[in-house]
Amino acid sequence: DVKVTQSSRYLVKRTGEKVFLECVQDMDHENMFWYRQDPGLGLRLIYFSYDVKMKEKGDIPEGYSVSREKKERFSLILESASTNQTSMYLCATLTDGGGSYNEQFFGPGTRLTVL
Amino acid sequence: AQKVTQAQTEISVVEKEDVTLDCVYETRDTTYYLFWYKQPPSGELVFLIRRNSFDEQNEISGRYSWNFQKSTSSFNFTITASQVVDSAVYFCALSGLSGGSYIPTFGRGTSLIVHP
Repeated sequence: DVKVTQSSRYLVKRTGEKVFLECVQDMDHENMFWYRQDPGLGLRLIYFSYDVKMKEKGDIPEGYSVSREKKERFSLILESASTNQTSMYLCATLTDGGGSYNEQFFGPGTRLTVL
Repeated sequence: AQKVTQAQTEISVVEKEDVTLDCVYETRDTTYYLFWYKQPPSGELVFLIRRNSFDEQNEISGRYSWNFQKSTSSFNFTITASQVVDSAVYFCALSGLSGGSYIPTFGRGTSLIVHP
């Protein structure tokens, strides 16, 4: 079974702090994603990565950066957390194959609260 | 551009009722895939089904069934004899190349609450 794990289920940070959200997958998938989920807005793509050290902006990259130094690990970084970044953050992978056939596997999510 | 619309924000039913979750999509692709995912209260989205644009056969899996109609650009999901364990947020998604890549486009989700 594919496993996508996220470093924390719940996180509370203060405004201005630097925040790292870690995601690790064990299936050697090339593509990894970070989404945020807010009530009424569904899933919004922040960043994705299609290979080590490669990254692409999603729909809402402002205020975030990412790092992918190893294939299995994809980190989301909030350089200076703000209250409007309070949200549920979901990491996902995409099964390999390079086509629209592929489904995603998701981690359990990190609920981040910025005070 | 791709778009997925789930017009029902929240549906509340009593156990054993049948319930249909609607999904309408827009795409310029002729080849594309549609997906449904379930997000239970634990938070992790789980893949339920995939359908390609050339296969309009309905699919049934236990109490779950899916109705794909290209003519109306819809991919609806029906749960028969709902149970409390079906309570979750359900997402419909579309993947095709017109978005510029194979990144899936998600609807906003429908929250299903099944009361005992």
